[in-house]
Amino acid sequence: DSGVTQTPKHLITATGQRVTLRCSPRSGDLSVYWYQQSLDQGLQFLIQYYNGEERAKGNILERFSAQQFPDLHSELNLSSLELGDSALYFCASSVLTGGFTDTQYFGPGTRLTVL
Amino acid sequence: GEDVEQSLFLSVREGDSSVINCTYTDSSSTYLYWYKQEPGAGLQLLTYIFSNMDMKQDQRLTVLLNKKDKHLSLRIADTQTGDSAIYFCALPHQAGTALIFGKGTTLSVSS
Repeated sequence: DSGVTQTPKHLITATGQRVTLRCSPRSGDLSVYWYQQSLDQGLQFLIQYYNGEERAKGNILERFSAQQFPDLHSELNLSSLELGDSALYFCASSVLTGGFTDTQYFGPGTRLTVL
Repeated sequence: GEDVEQSLFLSVREGDSSVINCTYTDSSSTYLYWYKQEPGAGLQLLTYIFSNMDMKQDQRLTVLLNKKDKHLSLRIADTQTGDSAIYFCALPHQAGTALIFGKGTTLSVSS
């Protein structure tokens, strides 16, 4: 158990809908990262928050957004869902801002299925 | 851009050693990671190596790093059926935030 929690574990929804994925980092970790794992693209970085502020952006679509709250939990919002958004979404956390020596610990993931 | 390459499949017999290889293009990373993903599960940090090291051993796991050739390997001694999983090589992006992952190597262990 990494100490990172994600809810829900599974989510099934229809195209055009909006969903929210939730992540609680390990105790003491200030950074939260979101990754998407799909069969064709592999594991791709979406976005990072550090202590409530957006820190870095990866291949995140404009239909997707995220935020980190004062209690450091984070939410990833996915809107206008398409079939291709079906994937496993991971949250990871680390102690500091993220860097070459800042190890990331991953949650169990949320499996999103868009029908 | 940065790239991390891994072979996709490896099949071994129980009790044999497994060697999973990874090559990368970015040479600025100071830590290189191995993550394990079991079926239906999340990513588990397996081990990591600092770039000023050539080798790191942790029980049945041995990580070898050849910085000149930008080659990283993970050796699992006495491979067990419980080691069957997908193994990912990962290193930090040049900017030092996101992890760049290889496609993952699926290790299949037969008894």
